[in-house]
Amino acid sequence: DSGVTQTPKHLITATGQRVTLRCSPRSGDLSVYWYQQSLDQGLQFLIQYYNGEERAKGNILERFSAQQFPDLHSELNLSSLELGDSALYFCASSVGSSEQYFGPGTRLTVT
Amino acid sequence: AQSVAQPEDQVNVAEGNPLTVKCTYSVSGNPYLFWYVQYPNRGLQFLLKYITGDNLVKGSYGFEAEFNKSQTSFHLKKPSALVSDSALYFCAVSPMNRDDKIIFGKGTRLHILP
Repeated sequence: DSGVTQTPKHLITATGQRVTLRCSPRSGDLSVYWYQQSLDQGLQFLIQYYNGEERAKGNILERFSAQQFPDLHSELNLSSLELGDSALYFCASSVGSSEQYFGPGTRLTVT
Repeated sequence: AQSVAQPEDQVNVAEGNPLTVKCTYSVSGNPYLFWYVQYPNRGLQFLLKYITGDNLVKGSYGFEAEFNKSQTSFHLKKPSALVSDSALYFCAVSPMNRDDKIIFGKGTRLHILP
């Protein structure tokens, strides 16, 4: 157990809908990262937050947004969903520049 | 530009044989280097890291990696492979103290044959 929790584990929704994925980092970790993993694209970095502020942005679509709250949990919002958004979404947390600890992921299926 | 390459999509090794999973990188300045493992339907798990110091780094599950600055490589190794080592392995690199600049390789699938 990495200490990072993600909910829900599975999500099935229709095209055009909006979903919210939730992540709670390890106790004491200020950084939260979001990744998308699909079979054909590998592991794609989406966005990083540090202590409530956006710190780095990767290949995140404009339809996607995220935030980190004062209690350090983070949410990833995906809107106007398309079939191609079906993937595993991982959250990870870290202390500074050290190793990241990954949650178990949320499997999103868009039908 | 910063990059990390895992040149092999898949590596097959017989159980009991030594294994190597390759990683090369390009980064400005001194790198921080990491290996992660992903088992089916699980998140990535941290295996080991190189920050500074001894070029040979030991990690979890008997894995080790050697930092080679001249060849800009950080290959993952294990002296004797187990079937349970079969998984997807990711190399990652960031410039020193730049947690906002970490990038992951595309992964190498390791198959250990019984």
